[in-house]
Amino acid sequence: DIQMTQSPLSLSASVGDKVTITCRASRSISNVLNWYQQKPGKAPNLLIYAASSLQSGVPSRFSGSGSGTDFTLTISSVQPEDFASYYCQQSYSTPYTFGQGTKLEIK
Amino acid sequence: QLQLQESSPRLVKPPETLSLTCTVSGGSISGSNYYWGWIRQPPGQGLEWIGTISYSGTTYYNPSLKSRVTISVDTSKRQFSLRLSSVTAADTAVYFCARLNTMEQLDLDVFDIWGQGTLITVSS
Repeated sequence: DIQMTQSPLSLSASVGDKVTITCRASRSISNVLNWYQQKPGKAPNLLIYAASSLQSGVPSRFSGSGSGTDFTLTISSVQPEDFASYYCQQSYSTPYTFGQGTKLEIK
Repeated sequence: QLQLQESSPRLVKPPETLSLTCTVSGGSISGSNYYWGWIRQPPGQGLEWIGTISYSGTTYYNPSLKSRVTISVDTSKRQFSLRLSSVTAADTAVYFCARLNTMEQLDLDVFDIWGQGTLITVSS
C-alpha cells in the first residue's frame, strides 16, 4: 500500500493568512494526487485533482503543486469558511489511501 | 445534478453483517467513465477506502477488508450496496458512498461526488 503522510496535523491561522499543507507519498505517484476539504458533520468535498487542477466551483485562492512524492496545498488568503480539515488522497494504485488529515483552526 | 443518498443510520450487533445501500438520483449509474465506491470514517479519525464497483459489476476492494466485504450494483434501481460481515466495534464509522470519476484523459481517478454519510454503530 502507498502511505500518505500529511503535515502538520493541525494548524492555526488568522483570516487573510497564507497557509500551506504538505502531503508526502511513500513512493512516487506521479501527479495522481487529490485534495479534499471536509467540514464537521459533512462529506469531503473535492478541491484539487491531478495535484494542481482546480475543481470547478472551487475558489482560486486554493492551489496545489507537486509531483512524485511531495505535494502541497496552499490557501493564499484564508477565509472564515476555509476553517476545516483537509485530506490528500492518492489514486495511483489500489488500495486508494488518504492522508491523516490536517485540521485548520482559527487563531 | 447528480446526488447520492445512503440508507438510514442504525445500530448493528457484533458479529452481524452490516448492509448499506446508496441511491443515485439526478443522473445515470451506467456511465462507463464512472465507478461507485464506499469510504468510511471512524469517529474523529481519517478516511478509509472500502471498495468500488462499476455499473457492470467489476469490483475492487481494500485488501484489509476484502475477506468481509461485498459490493453489488442494481442498475435498474440506480443503487449500489455494501455488505460487511462479522462486524466489531472497530467498524463503527460514518459510511460514505461516492462517485469515482475515472478521468481517462488524465489517467486519474477522483471521488468527485459524495453522499452525506450515514453513521453505523456496532455495539451489543
